[in-house]
Amino acid sequence: DAGVIQSPRHEVTEMGQEVTLRCKPISGHDYLFWYRQTMMRGLELLIYFNNNVPIDDSGMPEDRFSAKMPNASFSTLKIQPSEPRDSAVYFCASSFMTGKGANVLTFGAGSRLTVL
Amino acid sequence: EDKVVQSPLSLVVHEGDTVTLNCSYEVTNFRSLLWYKQEKKAPTFLFMLTSSGIEKKSGRLSSILDKKELFSILNITATQTGDSAIYLCAVPHGSSNTGKLIFGQGTTLQVKP
Repeated sequence: DAGVIQSPRHEVTEMGQEVTLRCKPISGHDYLFWYRQTMMRGLELLIYFNNNVPIDDSGMPEDRFSAKMPNASFSTLKIQPSEPRDSAVYFCASSFMTGKGANVLTFGAGSRLTVL
Repeated sequence: EDKVVQSPLSLVVHEGDTVTLNCSYEVTNFRSLLWYKQEKKAPTFLFMLTSSGIEKKSGRLSSILDKKELFSILNITATQTGDSAIYLCAVPHGSSNTGKLIFGQGTTLQVKP
């Protein structure tokens, strides 16, 4: 398996523009997560899905952020309109449930977003 | 409020040294504690600990959990430059056991030749 695949790897955009980040989880994993990493706040969970259904979006900062998972092999995180404070590395991760939970995550390489 | 605190935040050592990284936590309904290593890109899984006093070991890395004192340590012996990375500690949030993790700030380890 190629692992969790994210695109784009780098995105530079101007304030007010729409940004769409994409993720392909590992086949067979039924949990998908969007995390954000910044120097100030570290790694934070934004939202996660189970079997394509959003379970917890309490980490989504505000209405400018939205995430979808139309099928088991694809998810998007959209920011509209983007602001400079959204600059961060956005990680997608996936996992599957075992007897000890679904906490062993496999992360993608991340999408580094810079909003000017 | 659930939280994870790591120390030190950064550490510089020379090859061959042994290091100990610390992680303390406060979480309702503790289930497990996880260690990840983050080099230039994505965090990669190292260990998951669920029981006190049982050491998990992988090569030169080992980790142990103390559920009474609410902390874990990660030891790296005979460090190499390839061990330079950010080491992240995480616990599942609250009653969740489904990957909703709270991460510590991380310990940045630099191993000099």
